[in-house]
Amino acid sequence: DAGVTQSPTHLIKTRGQQVTLRCSPISGHKSVSWYQQVLGQGPQFIFQYYEKEERGRGNFPDRFSARQFPNYSSELNVNALLLGDSALYLCASSVTQPFGEAFFGQGTRLTVV
Amino acid sequence: GIQVEQSPPDLILQEGANSTLRCNFSDSVNNLQWFHQNPWGQLINLFYIPSGTKQNGRLSATTVATERYSLLYISSSQTTDSGVYFCAGARGSQGNLIFGKGTKLSVKP
Repeated sequence: DAGVTQSPTHLIKTRGQQVTLRCSPISGHKSVSWYQQVLGQGPQFIFQYYEKEERGRGNFPDRFSARQFPNYSSELNVNALLLGDSALYLCASSVTQPFGEAFFGQGTRLTVV
Repeated sequence: GIQVEQSPPDLILQEGANSTLRCNFSDSVNNLQWFHQNPWGQLINLFYIPSGTKQNGRLSATTVATERYSLLYISSSQTTDSGVYFCAGARGSQGNLIFGKGTKLSVKP
């Protein structure tokens, strides 16, 4: 079975641009969460979706938004990119919410120049 | 929210040595996981262990929920064990994982 898949794997954007990151959960998993990991730190929670509804939001500005589709895949959008948005963006899926075991994708490495 | 503290922050071992990594939580958690982050950034699941003890090959983990800590044991370490180990916990209605800062393990041949 395929694990959590994310696309693209790497991305370079210019300050002020917008970016969309994509995530496909493990088949049968209905919960998707997004995390941001900057160099030298642990991942930080951005959003959680379950059954297509937002179930949680971390301490990130409104420039960050997300959605979950009927097939449980998800997109993370970031508007008006700043240099500080450069990070590894990780997607995790789990069967249930809130406390199912989370499985992570390989991440999207975003560089803002 | 909960605070997660991992120790030690850095650990250097000779191949074949054993090690213990610790994770302390400021409050009780309903979910606790250990991960190994590979050089390409992917988080590999090691253990889902809200309480009790589990073993998988050379790795084992113990969570003492009442004392709010968890331990990860690595025996007979290999160079491929190198990387960053994270613990993460969750509580409350959201269930989002709160990560520690990680333990960076380097195993020398």
